[in-house]
Amino acid sequence: DAKTTQPPSMDCAEGRAANLPCNHSTISGNEYVYWYRQIHSQGPQYIIHGLKNNETNEMASLIITEDRKSSTLILPHATLRDTAVYYCIVSERMEYGNKLVFGAGTILRVKS
Amino acid sequence: KAGVTQTPRYLIKTRGQQVTLSCSPISGHRSVSWYQQTPGQGLQFLFEYFSETQRNKGNFPGRFSGRQFSNSRSEMNVSTLELGDSALYLCASSVTGMANQPQHFGDGTRLSIL
Repeated sequence: DAKTTQPPSMDCAEGRAANLPCNHSTISGNEYVYWYRQIHSQGPQYIIHGLKNNETNEMASLIITEDRKSSTLILPHATLRDTAVYYCIVSERMEYGNKLVFGAGTILRVKS
Repeated sequence: KAGVTQTPRYLIKTRGQQVTLSCSPISGHRSVSWYQQTPGQGLQFLFEYFSETQRNKGNFPGRFSGRQFSNSRSEMNVSTLELGDSALYLCASSVTGMANQPQHFGDGTRLSIL
């Protein structure tokens, strides 16, 4: 089962920041938080990941709380093309390597 | 840099047949994972290959199998197809499959069983 909880859907106005929350209260100390998004009929697209510190790249920022029990993905200036399902994932360690366990995600609708 | 390539994009099969799907990872990536996506179950992990060896396996029946070649390309096989096997099959690659390495997905093969 997925270790994350996300709201089923959110709306955001075009040009505004989109803040997508995620709860992962059972995360272990060495497990990473990943964010992916999926646009219909395409494979999931990697956005960003982090362990403890906040991270930023050209697509988004990831804010992880100090206790690591929740995080927020921030899309600074949402566009219509950002409409997608956003998945928050805790990368689960296996005996060798790790696997991504996807939940239901958040449907983000960006509206003009 | 080319992304993950999956072929074919679409397949139609009938019950009882078998099917083979192909995945070419990003150049330099040696870990390849397979996932199944259905409307009811979402995205579920099938298995992961590294250096031609299956390293991790999800909770799927033995009808689902795979292999990896020395150039890191991977194939997935499903035998004795059932209606419930209709799904989008996704392949993802990463450098070595470690937790701090993002997996990059292809656009999948959509398999329809009649």
